[in-house]
Amino acid sequence: GENVEQHPSTLSVQEGDSAVIKCTYSDSASNYFPWYKQELGKRPQLIIDIRSNVGEKKDQRIAVTLNKTAKHFSLHITETQPEDSAVYFCAASQGGDKIIFGKGTRLHILP
Amino acid sequence: DGGITQSPKYLFRKEGQNVTLSCEQNLNHDAMYWYRQDPGQGLRLIYYSQIVNDFQKGDIAEGYSVSREKKESFPLTVTSAQKNPTAFYLCASSNLGQGLRPQHFGDGTRLSIL
Repeated sequence: GENVEQHPSTLSVQEGDSAVIKCTYSDSASNYFPWYKQELGKRPQLIIDIRSNVGEKKDQRIAVTLNKTAKHFSLHITETQPEDSAVYFCAASQGGDKIIFGKGTRLHILP
Repeated sequence: DGGITQSPKYLFRKEGQNVTLSCEQNLNHDAMYWYRQDPGQGLRLIYYSQIVNDFQKGDIAEGYSVSREKKESFPLTVTSAQKNPTAFYLCASSNLGQGLRPQHFGDGTRLSIL
């Protein structure tokens, strides 16, 4: 079955700098890759997703890139702000199958 | 205001006791899910349901049970067979056209052992 590895587990960046979180997946048939953000004590929220027929997708300050050959995908956050502090989860799925989550990255934005 | 409501927010279980976590949604979503979240772990799927009166086991179903008698409701029972129930439980839902991909989550229930 699918296995998703996520790195790093903790990331601290200075406010205004960029943050990058990386994930790898094992099943080459996976074709859907969502990212969720979970602020402390709150529910996870889907923030961006990408499908395997696209190499990059942007939404304001966040972007996701996908390298199907290497089976890895990344979340990029530019011009980080205090409200970006949260745990971020990547995930992968094949077709309509259930998604498999990574273990999460705790992002700290330093003032 | 559409969304998913989980209750209670905090729950305590005694040894040998079954407890039930409530999940209600007014999004008219067909699919509903239960996930378990442990510190340093991703979300792990317990059970899911794509239609009323039908549900499937996820990756860690042992010690849990569910029912789906109404489209809006998907309660989770943590039975005494679940030997390590302390965790944060999240309910989610999605439209069937989205595959088995949760779109909306509830605020969660934190379960602890007395």
